Amino acid sequence: GENVEQHPSTLSVQEGDSAVIKCTYSDSASNYFPWYKQELGKGPQLIIDIRSNVGEKKDQRIAVTLNKTAKHFSLHITETQPEDSAVYFCAADNDYKLSFGAGTTVTVRA
Amino acid sequence: GAVVSQHPSRVICKSGTSVKIECRSLDFQATTMFWYRQFPKKSLMLMATSNEGSKATYEQGVEKDKFLINHASLTLSTLTVTSAHPEDSSFYICSASRGSSTEAFFGQGTRLTVV
Repeated sequence: GENVEQHPSTLSVQEGDSAVIKCTYSDSASNYFPWYKQELGKGPQLIIDIRSNVGEKKDQRIAVTLNKTAKHFSLHITETQPEDSAVYFCAADNDYKLSFGAGTTVTVRA
Repeated sequence: GAVVSQHPSRVICKSGTSVKIECRSLDFQATTMFWYRQFPKKSLMLMATSNEGSKATYEQGVEKDKFLINHASLTLSTLTVTSAHPEDSSFYICSASRGSSTEAFFGQGTRLTVV
């Protein structure tokens, strides 16, 4: 099955700085890589995703890059704001299911 | 679009009783729904996958007789925790996918506390 590793587990950044979260996956057949943001007591919210035929995707302050050869993908948040503080999960598809990373707790310091 | 509603958001029940959690896709037909369990500060653990009109597929180690899943229509799946015990207390989350896509949209989650 798919194994997704996510680093770092916690990340503290100054407001306005950038945050980067990295994930690796094991199954070369995976083609879909979403990122979710989860606030305390709520369900995960899809914030951006990328498919294997694309190397990079951007949506305002967030971007995702994918390196299929190396089997890793990253989430980049620029100009961080306090409302970006949350737990972020990466995931990779595997046989119509998603395998999730362990999560990264991002804290944006004002 | 792609809104998934989960109800209730919180429930407290007594040991030995059963609790039903509903997951609805409000603006799309969900061919597949997934149920997860999440422990504090942990990732999402897939419990089962359900397809409309067929039996759910449970992940290894998940008791199918304890966690009953019904996916009677393309917009509704339910998870019933039977004979609940304190160790079943957790955050349960559903997600739904449309068509053959693995793009998943999550409900708000249900905090179950068994006392």
